[in-house]
Amino acid sequence: GAVVSQHPSWVICKSGTSVKIECRSLDFQATTMFWYRQFPKQSLMLMATSNEGSKATYEQGVEKDKFLINHASLTLSTLTVTSAHPEDSSFYICSASLLAGTDTQYFGPGTRLTVL
Amino acid sequence: GQQVMQIPQYQHVQEGEDFTTYCNSSTTLSNIQWYKQRPGGHPVFLIQLVKSGEVKKQKRLTFQFGEAKKNSSLHITATQTTDVGTYFCAGVFGNAGKSTFGDGTTLTVKP
Repeated sequence: GAVVSQHPSWVICKSGTSVKIECRSLDFQATTMFWYRQFPKQSLMLMATSNEGSKATYEQGVEKDKFLINHASLTLSTLTVTSAHPEDSSFYICSASLLAGTDTQYFGPGTRLTVL
Repeated sequence: GQQVMQIPQYQHVQEGEDFTTYCNSSTTLSNIQWYKQRPGGHPVFLIQLVKSGEVKKQKRLTFQFGEAKKNSSLHITATQTTDVGTYFCAGVFGNAGKSTFGDGTTLTVKP
């Protein structure tokens, strides 16, 4: 089956620093990758949709200058949380899809970010 | 904005009892997907429904898509402890290119 990896699985950082999270599709090429944020016992909140080689489409209320997304290849997307603050602490999950909206989303294992 | 409402938020059942979670949208969906997230894990794809009135089965799980493509349900027959987790529906509106997740239903099963 399709496998998506995320790195790191967890990270603790100081307030004001930047953190990069990688999302890779290991055995398939993903035309689209999605980045979600999930708070404890809550649903997945879509942050942005990224297509390889083009700018990410951010959801309303998500600061694109704070959450930088780069989709450099069909197998790699990165999310950089810039100048992180404690309120950015959350579980960040990426997913990859062969065809956006009408195909399965394969989720990565998630990254737990804690900002001190 | 377009939303997908999911109920109930929590469901506690005795092992062997049935379980159903429902998703509703005020507008027509292109398709709907169902995912399961185990405690501490990430969502795992279960199934996708596309056609009006579609019914699909996976062993003890039955998935339905309403005739108007505005609602869907997941029914588990004779629950087992391995069924515990949160079940999410995710609907696609038109050619949005993205899925809108419901709030999820967390199932606990008492042995």
